[in-house]
Amino acid sequence: ELKVEQNPLFLSMQEGKNYTIYCNYSTTSDRLYWYRQDPGKSLESLFVLLSNGAVKQEGRLMASLDTKARLSTLHITAAVHDLSATYFCAVEGNTPLVFGKGTRLSVIA
Amino acid sequence: DTAVSQTPKYLVTQMGNDKSIKCEQNLGHDTMYWYKQDSKKFLKIMFSYNNKELIINETVPNRFSPKSPDKAHLNLHINSLELGDSAVYFCASSPLGGGYNEQFFGPGTRLTVL
Repeated sequence: ELKVEQNPLFLSMQEGKNYTIYCNYSTTSDRLYWYRQDPGKSLESLFVLLSNGAVKQEGRLMASLDTKARLSTLHITAAVHDLSATYFCAVEGNTPLVFGKGTRLSVIA
Repeated sequence: DTAVSQTPKYLVTQMGNDKSIKCEQNLGHDTMYWYKQDSKKFLKIMFSYNNKELIINETVPNRFSPKSPDKAHLNLHINSLELGDSAVYFCASSPLGGGYNEQFFGPGTRLTVL
């Protein structure tokens, strides 16, 4: 059974700082997705990673995938308040998507 | 021109009642899903339909019954509602082909059972 673990689950960071969210998964997969959810809102697709070594960047966020280590990272550069949200990784296995528990990010001044 | 829409957005009801949530997508996708997000924000798949046919039915009480009249619609009917059914229910869709399964989510329906 595919299991997906994210850490940290809660992250409070200062504006301007850098940080990384980690997503580990338990069985072989080369398809991983990152989503953002604002409070009371739906999930918005951020990144689709489809192969080992894939790297995608959008603004202050950069996601990467290492399928051999079964690890994806979401790196935040020079955080701003607008990045405050919950970030989910999701891995495609035998079922369409298995989601991590989410990382609740708060960016404070 | 909302891509994935759900109604209602909020649903408050008493234990024991029967209720339905509707979902429609105008993306031309072949596959649709229902997810449940609990109070701790944990997101779990309930059902998946591919072109009107059920392909995934996770461990969900049989009080929950999905219905797909056509590939653009996937409704969720819940019988004999219980307190533990309170959650946010998300509908999602994804295209077949393309080699991957990026899912697009609806706005969610917040169900509160009293």
